Formats: sequence, structure tokens, C-alpha cells
Amino acid sequence: NAGVTQTPKFRVLKTGQSMTLLCAQDMNHEYMYWYRQDPGMGLRLIHYSVGEGTTAKGEVPDGYNVSRLKKQNFLLGLESAAPSQTSVYFCASSYWDRARHEQFFGPGTRLTVL
Amino acid sequence: AQSVTQLDSQVPVFEEAPVELRCNYSSSVSVYLFWYVQYPNQGLQLLLKYLSGSTLVKGINGFEAEFNKSQTSFHLRKPSVHISDTAEYFCAVSDLMGGSEKLVFGKGTKLTVNP
Repeated sequence: NAGVTQTPKFRVLKTGQSMTLLCAQDMNHEYMYWYRQDPGMGLRLIHYSVGEGTTAKGEVPDGYNVSRLKKQNFLLGLESAAPSQTSVYFCASSYWDRARHEQFFGPGTRLTVL
Repeated sequence: AQSVTQLDSQVPVFEEAPVELRCNYSSSVSVYLFWYVQYPNQGLQLLLKYLSGSTLVKGINGFEAEFNKSQTSFHLRKPSVHISDTAEYFCAVSDLMGGSEKLVFGKGTKLTVNP
């Protein structure tokens, strides 16, 4: 099993450009999450999904959109990138039930917006 | 809303010394608690978790943590650290909002193990 994979690993954008980050998981998890990690800030939840076709806002959703058309994939979009979106982005997934609740993380995407 | 406070942003220790990384949380309901580790340029990996039962939880790599409900703490300990334990450690609490499970993370503690 590959677990949680993220594409791309690195990206440099200019202000105003758009891009999509792809997250894929092969563990049949119901829940998927997108976080951003900034120095000294820990991980902050951007958006999450509790199942195929559903999405919800997290703590810092502004400037991002997401889609979950297939259970195994969760896409994060930046429509018009800003320097404040320079960060490391992590995707995670988990089962729905609390008894097995543990989030599995991908390796991250390092995004720089110039 | 729940919150997590990691009291030390950086902890330097010498190899083979004991270490304790402190974590306090705020919550008015029962919680699940987690410690994750992040090695340089990698994603997060679960060290251990407390869901219920014994308040002393053992995890991977010789780490353990103790849940203290009265002090709302979940401190991480290791009796003898190795150079390879150098990493950033995150404490997290589950937050069941809107019927779905989310984690609230602390800001992290960077553990540096020196020879």
C-alpha cells in the first residue's frame, strides 16, 4: 500500500497564478483533510471531507477550494495564489469511526508563491 | 472550541538523557489525545494515542505519555533519547464538531538531541 500520496512535491508560483494539489489514498478512508504548516504555527486545517461528494471548511479556508469527486482523491485548488499562501501543505486521511481514529499523513507539498 | 498548548517550542537534550515534552489541552468534554512526530522534510507519523482505559500509553520508539484529566495534560516522555529522535513533535486533541472528527494541533516542540 502506498498510503497517502501527494502531487506535486514542490511548486513555485507567481502571484495570481492558479494550481491544484492532488491527494490520493489507497486505504479506503472516508475522511480526508488538507492542512497547511507554517513555522511556529503548527498545522492548521484548511478544508476537509467526510465522504465522496462532500466538503467542509476548516480553520483557514479563505483563498482555497476543494473537491472530492472520488473517495480516494481530494483536490486542493488555489485560484489566484498570494505570497501568504507560501507554505507546506499536508493531506491526511482517516476512518470515520472514533475507535480507529488516527490520521495518516502524506509527505507534503512545498509551495512558494513569489 | 478545543485548544492545545505545547509549553516548549524547543527542547535541547544530550543523547541518553531523559526527556519530557509538555502538552496541555482545553476541553469541556471527553477527548482523544495524540502525539505525532515529524522528521525533517517528512510528513507526520503517529507516535501514540489515548482513546480510553489506562492513562499511561506506550507508543513507538520507546516513547510513552500519561493522560492526566485533572490537570488536562498529556505529556510525552522517553527515558533515554537517541540522536535519531531529533524531530518536531506535535500534540493533538480530537474535536468532534458538526458531527465529524477533526484534530486540533499544538504549535509543536522541536527536540534536538546532541551527542
